[in-house]
Amino acid sequence: EAGVVQSPRYKIIEKKQPVAFWCNPISGHNTLYWYRQNLGQGPELLIRYENEEAVDDSQLPKDRFSAERLKGVDSTLKIQPAELGDSAVYLCASSLLATNTGELFFGEGSRLTVL
Amino acid sequence: KQEVTQIPAALSVPEGENLVLNCSFTDSAIYNLQWFRQDPGKGLTSLLLIQSSQREQTSGRLNASLDKSSGRSTLYIAASQPGDSATYLCAVGDYGQNFVFGPGTRLSVLP
Repeated sequence: EAGVVQSPRYKIIEKKQPVAFWCNPISGHNTLYWYRQNLGQGPELLIRYENEEAVDDSQLPKDRFSAERLKGVDSTLKIQPAELGDSAVYLCASSLLATNTGELFFGEGSRLTVL
Repeated sequence: KQEVTQIPAALSVPEGENLVLNCSFTDSAIYNLQWFRQDPGKGLTSLLLIQSSQREQTSGRLNASLDKSSGRSTLYIAASQPGDSATYLCAVGDYGQNFVFGPGTRLSVLP
């Protein structure tokens, strides 16, 4: 069974440019998370979806960040325009709400460098 | 608001040693606690998951314990190997499927 798939793995852009990240969760997982991880720190939640509904986007900087999960499967996270401080690793994770464990599974991450 | 800390921030041990990594959290109303491993430039790999009703979980050379009342979890690694070198993170989950991560412990096992 395929794990959580993210692309691109690496992205280097100039500030003020747009960037988008894509995530395909484990098949059947209805909960999808986007996290941002800065160097030397733990991941911090940006947005959580249950199916196609964003149930927690309180930490998403909505002036420049947007996300969608139109069919409740894969998801896209967009930044426009990017700032120097957005340089980080963007991690996608998924879990299956129906199970009692709530175990999180992560993708390899997308490393963003803003110049 | 849940806060998660991990001590030590970094640890260096010779191969073969047994070691303990610590995770502390401020709110004991948790649903589960998960330990992850992260290699440089990689995502997080799940190691062990402990439900709030459990006291410990074991997988191979790894043993994780949970003491909700004191807000602590430990990850015990037996007979450490150079391949265990990585950053270890704990994440505390609540009943709303919200997870708060610690900053991690960077482990180096020297051959």
